[in-house]
This record gives sequence, C-alpha cells and structure tokens, in this order.
Amino acid sequence: DTAVSQTPKYLVTQMGNDKSIKCEQNLGHDTMYWYKQDSKKFLKIMFSYNNKELIINETVPNRFSPKSPDKAHLNLHINSLELGDSAVYFCASSRRGGGPYNEQFFGPGTRLTVL
Amino acid sequence: AQSVTQLDSHVSVSEGTPVLLRCNYSSSYSPSLFWYVQHPNKGLQLLLKYTSAATLVKGINGFEAEFKKSETSFHLTKPSAHMSDAAEYFCVVSDRGSSNTGKLIFGQGTTLQVKP
Repeated sequence: DTAVSQTPKYLVTQMGNDKSIKCEQNLGHDTMYWYKQDSKKFLKIMFSYNNKELIINETVPNRFSPKSPDKAHLNLHINSLELGDSAVYFCASSRRGGGPYNEQFFGPGTRLTVL
Repeated sequence: AQSVTQLDSHVSVSEGTPVLLRCNYSSSYSPSLFWYVQHPNKGLQLLLKYTSAATLVKGINGFEAEFKKSETSFHLTKPSAHMSDAAEYFCVVSDRGSSNTGKLIFGQGTTLQVKP
C-alpha cells in the first residue's frame, strides 16, 4: 500500500494551460506539504496544510493554489503555466509539529514539463 | 534562521570503501536534523534522524550520522559502499522557530557515485 501517492507521475503541457496534481496520504497524518525540485535538484517548500488549514505559504506565484478537500488530500492547481514551472513536484505528509517527530513521508513526485 | 550546507556536491567512491558525506548546519534552536536519500527518478526516503537522545544516529542500509554541536556538523557515513547506494543525498534541518511549522530546509544535495 502506497503511503503517499501522487497523480500523474508525468505531466507534459503547453504554456498558458491550467493543470492540477493530486496527492493523497493514507498514513492518518494531519499535515501535508508541497515541494518543488528544480533542475539542479534543489528542494524548496511551497505550501503546508494542517488539517485543511494553510500554515506555510512560501513566496510562490499566486498562479499556484493548494486545495485540501480533507486532511488526506492536498492537491496543487497551477494556472497559466509558464516555462519556468517545469520541475518535479513532491507531496509529503507528517504528524503535526516540528522536531524529530516531524518525519515527512514523500510521494514519488510528478515531473511537470511545460512546452 | 536555520540552514544547512552540504560541503560536497559530488562524491565518488569505490564499492566496498567508506562513504563520508559532509553537512554543516546553522540553527538558533536545538536542531532537528535528517538525512534523506533520493534514488534516480524516485521520491525521497528518510535515512535517519537526530532525536537529541543520542549523538550517534543509526539509520537504514548501514548508514550512520554523528551530531557534533561543537562543530555544527551532522556528517553521514557508511563503512562500506554498495553499488545500490548511488543516489542523491540531502541533509535537512527542521524549522523550529517560534511558529514551529515543521518546515524542512534542504541542503543543496550530494551526488554519491559508487564505482565497481
């Protein structure tokens, strides 16, 4: 059973389109995250939701909007896609709180390519 | 503010020889530190975490890391490299500021190459 799953695994689309990436976790965690990994493999957090409440919102364009229908799901919607949005996007989940118990479990990633 | 610096972007070892991946951290608080591994075209997997209970932390697949406060380091080691260890390794600190959001701050990554 996959703990954190993402769909799709690969997404190829044209500039200007709107797309969504879905994430689901079956670990019973309260907190979910979205990370972006660029072409140099640098990982940076984008958003974090705790029990459907946004708690981290890094400086990402407002074309990116996370949506959490329930605490097991955190989807990422991207409007008006740009070439620079091409990256690998990772979803993760954890129990709430920082410290050593904040082990985050990552999904397999979605490779987004904008043409 | 917390940060981590991985001192080597690329490390190459021969199979059967020791592995050392270096990481220094900066933190205003007692840090929570992790090492994650990413195999090619895969997600990230936790190797080990520093819980403050012991300075020498043992992880999966024979990896260890030692927390040294005086040196602000958390280097990752393995006595004998295996071909399957070839991957990208990330040193990570958890943001434990006043907001305590659990935000992870990643180092730049170290690519480990294992030669036969």
